[in-house]
Amino acid sequence: GENVEQHPSTLSVQEGDSAVIKCTYSDSASNYFPWYKQELGKRPQLIIDIRSNVGEKKDQRIAVTLNKTAKHFSLHITETQPEDSAVYFCAASLNTGKLIFGQGTTLQVKP
Amino acid sequence: EPEVTQTPSHQVTQMGQEVILHCVPISNHLYFYWYRQILGQKVEFLVSFYNNEISEKSEIFDDQFSVERPDGSNFTLKIRSTKLEDSAMYFCASSQEQGARTEAFFGQGTRLTVV
Repeated sequence: GENVEQHPSTLSVQEGDSAVIKCTYSDSASNYFPWYKQELGKRPQLIIDIRSNVGEKKDQRIAVTLNKTAKHFSLHITETQPEDSAVYFCAASLNTGKLIFGQGTTLQVKP
Repeated sequence: EPEVTQTPSHQVTQMGQEVILHCVPISNHLYFYWYRQILGQKVEFLVSFYNNEISEKSEIFDDQFSVERPDGSNFTLKIRSTKLEDSAMYFCASSQEQGARTEAFFGQGTRLTVV
């Protein structure tokens, strides 16, 4: 069945450094790849998404890249700040709308 | 900014009891979803709903679960006879369109504790 693998499970960086989180997906028909940030006890919030007709998308300090051939996509956060500390989930979706989530990455940004 | 609203925020129930979780999706959205997240784990898809019927459901969504859109604004998840392993955060989500054409917005969740 559909599956999304996410790595690493935890990531600790110094404030100002970059953070990279990677995901791979199993279903080559997946065409939508959102990234969600979840703070403790709160709802997942969309921070950036990419569709399969695009290879890269950037929004200020956040960027996402997609390699359809390798079925791989990544989240890049530059100039990290303590408020970036949270759990980040990648997800993949077909046209059905169902989101298949990765296992999550706990990002800790140390001041 | 419009939001998906869920009530209650926390529900404690005895094992074997029925619970109904409530959601009010964003008003012009047409696609509705329930997800659950067991503490410390990933978010898992339960069911999607469109045009007053289930579009897709996961293997988690067995006969104990049902969904309903009783009126033009509410979207409910019912668990008929709760088990201890149903304890989780349940998120409702809605989207204007399906799949890659639009993003899904999540509610703040209902924490269900089965004792």
